[in-house]
Amino acid sequence: DAMVIQNPRYQVTQFGKPVTLSCSQTLNHNVMYWYQQKSSQAPKLLFHYYDKDFNNEADTPDNFQSRRPNTSFCFLDIRSPGLGDAAMYLCATSRGTQETQYFGPGTRLLVL
Amino acid sequence: DQQVKQNSPSLSVQEGRISILNCDYTNSMFDYFLWYKKYPAEGPTFLISISSIKDKNEDGRFTVFLNKSAKHLSLHIVPSQPGDSAVYFCAARSIKAAGNKLTFGGGTRVLVKP
Repeated sequence: DAMVIQNPRYQVTQFGKPVTLSCSQTLNHNVMYWYQQKSSQAPKLLFHYYDKDFNNEADTPDNFQSRRPNTSFCFLDIRSPGLGDAAMYLCATSRGTQETQYFGPGTRLLVL
Repeated sequence: DQQVKQNSPSLSVQEGRISILNCDYTNSMFDYFLWYKKYPAEGPTFLISISSIKDKNEDGRFTVFLNKSAKHLSLHIVPSQPGDSAVYFCAARSIKAAGNKLTFGGGTRVLVKP
């Protein structure tokens, strides 16, 4: 089945230790998104890629970076995680910019 | 600044009855609205959407109503089934916004009792 896959599902890191979250898709979609969802809050868009074009949201902290080496994969890098970065991180894809977004299961990040 | 609000954090309904979920928005530039459903340990799943040129869209047991003048939309589920128990997110976007950005509400947790 075509899908959006996120690995790992749970990630524990230490305060200040860089961490990378992974997303892959078999849908061959052009657009990939990263959202942050803190407990009991709405998912919040961090950035997205349209093909290789990176689009950062204005209020996304510099601590968050992303890479998209090819159509199928997209990575979220948190350079120096703080306690406030503990959250669920959701990856989504869409065929185009006006198409429905399909979400992966998320990676829950815990910062100790 | 919360542009999309779901004021009811939870809703409990009896199986077979109607579930009504509400969503309010403040940004008049929003022109497309979506509902997503989320089970625990899974990502949100697209449920139904509506364009601002319509006031109603129906798909099986799910109907979304849009009242543009009130900046309000609602999702009706009838009849409700136990498998509908999940968190429902309302989301909105503007065709003018870059990259299909979705702005989400905080979610409403629905419990359908057998």
